[in-house]
Formats: sequence, structure tokens, C-alpha cells
Amino acid sequence: DQQVKQNSPSLSVQEGRISILNCDYTNSMFDYFLWYKKYPAEGPTFLISISSIKDKNEDGRFTVFLNKSAKHLSLHIVPSQPGDSAVYFCAARSGNTGKLIFGQGTTLQVKP
Amino acid sequence: NAGVTQTPKFRVLKTGQSMTLLCAQDMNHEYMYWYRQDPGMGLRLIHYSVGEGTTAKGEVPDGYNVSRLKKQNFLLGLESAAPSQTSVYFCASSNHARTGNTIYFGEGSWLTVV
Repeated sequence: DQQVKQNSPSLSVQEGRISILNCDYTNSMFDYFLWYKKYPAEGPTFLISISSIKDKNEDGRFTVFLNKSAKHLSLHIVPSQPGDSAVYFCAARSGNTGKLIFGQGTTLQVKP
Repeated sequence: NAGVTQTPKFRVLKTGQSMTLLCAQDMNHEYMYWYRQDPGMGLRLIHYSVGEGTTAKGEVPDGYNVSRLKKQNFLLGLESAAPSQTSVYFCASSNHARTGNTIYFGEGSWLTVV
């Protein structure tokens, strides 16, 4: 029972264009959503987050949108850079223990 | 700045052997977690701890045990390793459950069970 789903295993984008990574969830009790970025042989690093009471959060080139009615969130990267090539994980926070439920990940490749 | 440190980084085990993965954090965090990452499965929570002396089960706890005897350490044990436990293991810690962006991960431990 996958509560957080990233249905696109991979995405390829040209440098300078927009990258849009999608994530769907099933549990309406999630109160916080996060995106993590992971390079090979490294641990995931925090990228950006959004509270369930908001619908948008922006940080430089990264924007996360939350559509609660559709139980859907997306990460926009504009403009995309080759250094953004990595695996991106969507995560949702469950309860007050801070534990995160992760999606399967989407591998982003930004071509020069 | 060490952050979250995992040892060992690589290990090969035979089926039935036991081992312990050690996670240490130097940020005085209350919460600690063990995840495993498998292809196509993302990161799945094995066990977690909300404070020294406490542990709780995550999504995939079977075959693993944990202990949090000291606040800075969180140990993950495999009593009888199975090939299905071949995976990359990540430890994480956070200082406040209300703030999602304070969850820090270690660099991972690659475990192969043959």
C-alpha cells in the first residue's frame, strides 16, 4: 500500500528548460511534504518543503505546489541545470514523530 | 562537521550471519530513523526512535532490531541475515518533528547478503 507515489521513474530535460516532478499521496492526514535530492553514493539532502496549509512554496529556482483536493504535489525547477541531475524523492510527514513516508523517486537528467 | 555518521559503509554477509550497523549523530537530535533503499521502492522506514531508550516500528521492521541506549547513537541489528536484506541503509536524525527540513541523512551503508 504505497501512500506516496511518484509514477514517473525518470525525466529528461534540456538545460534551461523547466523540470516538473510529480507526486501523489493517499493519506489526507499528512501535514508536511518535502522534496529530497539524492546523488549516487550519497545520502538524501533536503531541498524544499511545504506545509499542508499552504499551496505554494518557493526557494530560488525551486517551487513546490500542493493541491490538497487532488492529493498531488509537484516540484518545479526553473531553469534546470546539469547539476540538478539526481534522484528526487517526494516525502510526506506522518504524525508528530517526524517520520517520513517516501515515494519511489524520479531520476532527473538535465542535458547540456 | 560530522552530522550523521554510519559505520560500516560496506559489508558482505553470508546468509544467517548477524551484524550491527551503527549510526552516530553529533547534533543532539532527539529523533533518529533507519531507512532502507531498494530499486523502485524509494526509502522505507525500518525503525525509529523519538528519544533515548525508546524505539518503534516503521513500515518494514521484520528481521531487524534496534537500540537507542545513548541519545547520539542508534543501532540497527540483523540477527540472521537474509538475501532479501541486501540493500542500502540510511540513518537519519532530526531535532524537531514539527520542522520537516531538519531531517538529516547519513551517507548510507551498502549491505550485501549472499
